[in-house]
Amino acid sequence: DADVTQTPRNRITKTGKRIMLECSQTKGHDRMYWYRQDPGLGLRLIYYSFDVKDINKGEISDGYSVSRQAQAKFSLSLESAIPNQTALYFCATSDIEGDNEQFFGPGTRLTVL
Amino acid sequence: AQSVAQPEDQVNVAEGNPLTVKCTYSVSGNPYLFWYVQYPNRGLQFLLKYITGDNLVKGSYGFEAEFNKSQTSFHLKKPSALVSDSALYFCAVRDINTGGFKTIFGAGTRLFVKA
Repeated sequence: DADVTQTPRNRITKTGKRIMLECSQTKGHDRMYWYRQDPGLGLRLIYYSFDVKDINKGEISDGYSVSRQAQAKFSLSLESAIPNQTALYFCATSDIEGDNEQFFGPGTRLTVL
Repeated sequence: AQSVAQPEDQVNVAEGNPLTVKCTYSVSGNPYLFWYVQYPNRGLQFLLKYITGDNLVKGSYGFEAEFNKSQTSFHLKKPSALVSDSALYFCAVRDINTGGFKTIFGAGTRLFVKA
């Protein structure tokens, strides 16, 4: 887990606020992902990036945006947070080969009041 | 469309007994299949994967999984459960026909091993 770090680990914010979650990795992987985890729903993909110039929407991208500042950094922004964005957010990385597993950060618990 | 089903929200087993956590999947082509484990306040950790070859795959911490193409299943197993195996387990599938980059996760199964 230390290879993929996320900040902050916990955040409480209010409706309408802009918030950024940050992810850094030292694995040297090109591919990075943002997921959210909700009880009973598993993990759902928000955005993914195959390299610095590549950004792709996942299945639940509405209300979110991302920035790939460098190979090692991938940040997720909530432009105007709403309560149903309260969830556990995970960043993950993987190597370029399609059969490789993903490596996950420790997660950010976000609460929107 | 890809999908993954973990039919049990929770599995309870006594320490020392064998355990099975079930997973079935649906993909249009050939699947890559994965199991991950999540301990409290931690991210997901990779356990094992099936890509091709032998249907029985061995992974970390004594876990194994059997790929069954006819039943489209990939059940996770362990011969003798430990209390420390108690965690949340996720099955995941990746369809290689879509370029192998989009992974679909199941809803998770909570394993509780009683001493």
